[in-house]
Amino acid sequence: DTEVTQTPKHLVMGMTNKKSLKCEQHMGHRAMYWYKQKAKKPPELMFVYSYEKLSINESVPSRFSPECPNSSLLNLHLHALQPEDSALYLCASSQDPGGFYEQYFGPGTRLTVT
Amino acid sequence: DAKTTQPPSMDCAEGRAANLPCNHSTISGNEYVYWYRQIHSQGPQYIIHGLKNNETNEMASLIITEDRKSSTLILPHATLRDTAVYYCIALYSGAGSYQLTFGKGTKLSVIP
Repeated sequence: DTEVTQTPKHLVMGMTNKKSLKCEQHMGHRAMYWYKQKAKKPPELMFVYSYEKLSINESVPSRFSPECPNSSLLNLHLHALQPEDSALYLCASSQDPGGFYEQYFGPGTRLTVT
Repeated sequence: DAKTTQPPSMDCAEGRAANLPCNHSTISGNEYVYWYRQIHSQGPQYIIHGLKNNETNEMASLIITEDRKSSTLILPHATLRDTAVYYCIALYSGAGSYQLTFGKGTKLSVIP
């Protein structure tokens, strides 16, 4: 199974809402990633989890809160978002955090903040 | 990680080879060249990577110049399903977490 799944596929939320994005992989990968992609732009790294510990936070605002409950799951908790946070949120995983291993991406969650 | 430069767009006739160039003139000796692609509305997909030698897999071939300042991704028989944005990334491969920094990529259109 070389699949990374993400739920939900689409999410519409108001600026006062709290919601969560979920990502799951069963490949035994020990590194997991969150990316943000605005329309017609390349993906931008947000967070890296290495062996279930947060190892990189690319200066992401605190209204985005990642969580890695176990080695297969990665969540992104959203609170008090702004309309400019509307984007495609991509999750990825790789066998090891080291640079040699390719990343497997999920299909993404398309988020709209109203 | 070294910066890469790619043409913004290319066309290729279906069934012909698609040759996608990438310039990485400041690449260091321990940086690999990775290629990913992103088909519309999907997550990026790994294609191939290499350090010095040419590489081939079931999807594509990667030709790296001897001075490692540029490379070419070759899709030998392009199909309509290969229409996507192709990203060339120079990446240090070492212990610890690493970052994929996507540039603007090349939008490849395969034409019937």
